[in-house]
Amino acid sequence: QVQLQESGPGLVKSSQTLSLTCTVSGGSISNGDYYWSWIRQPPGKGLEWLGYIYYSGSTYYNPSLKSRVSISVTSKNQFSLKLNSVTAADTAVYYCARDQAVATPYFDHWGQGTLVTVSS
Amino acid sequence: SSELTQDPAVSVALGQTVRITCQGDSLRNYYASWYQQKPGQAPVLVIYGKNNRPSGIPDRFSGSSSGNTASLTITGAQAEDEADYYCNSRDSSGNHVVFGGGTKLTVL
Repeated sequence: QVQLQESGPGLVKSSQTLSLTCTVSGGSISNGDYYWSWIRQPPGKGLEWLGYIYYSGSTYYNPSLKSRVSISVTSKNQFSLKLNSVTAADTAVYYCARDQAVATPYFDHWGQGTLVTVSS
Repeated sequence: SSELTQDPAVSVALGQTVRITCQGDSLRNYYASWYQQKPGQAPVLVIYGKNNRPSGIPDRFSGSSSGNTASLTITGAQAEDEADYYCNSRDSSGNHVVFGGGTKLTVL
């Protein structure tokens, strides 16, 4: 059974870079059947897709964040998120999730989420 | 703003049927997937593709689509179905993923 787990600092200072890692167990990021995504949820608000990476290294990002976001594969079972120049609006629970690489996206496995607070 | 539109809140009497909708132009070309999220928990996939349920999801959950509208139907809603529900699909370009704004379901 695939499991995902987010890790990283829970507090980031405004204007700095938010960095998170997702560790995948029970499966490999090298499996070409999936995209590996980051999704966030500000407190009390809805879900926002940030972007995903394919095992080949191809990336797709939310156009509204494209200039600030970067996703990369860091090992056979880890991928990471970097979001630069953060503000209070970036305070959210950040989830990593697995997306079936088919026409209609669906996220069948999610991490538990990690709250990142941006402080001034 | 999201390219997928959902009603912010819907209510249903216990045991009755409720339909939660998701509208967007991209839904003419792609199916929607549906997620249930309870407070403090990660979302859980409940419907994907034309009308597929992951293992462990009760068969009272079903999905359908017509034109630019996708629907999640709960037939015989239970108290434990009270949650936020989100749809997702691709945007109009087909290259990116979008989520609807979410619907809060209250079971009365």
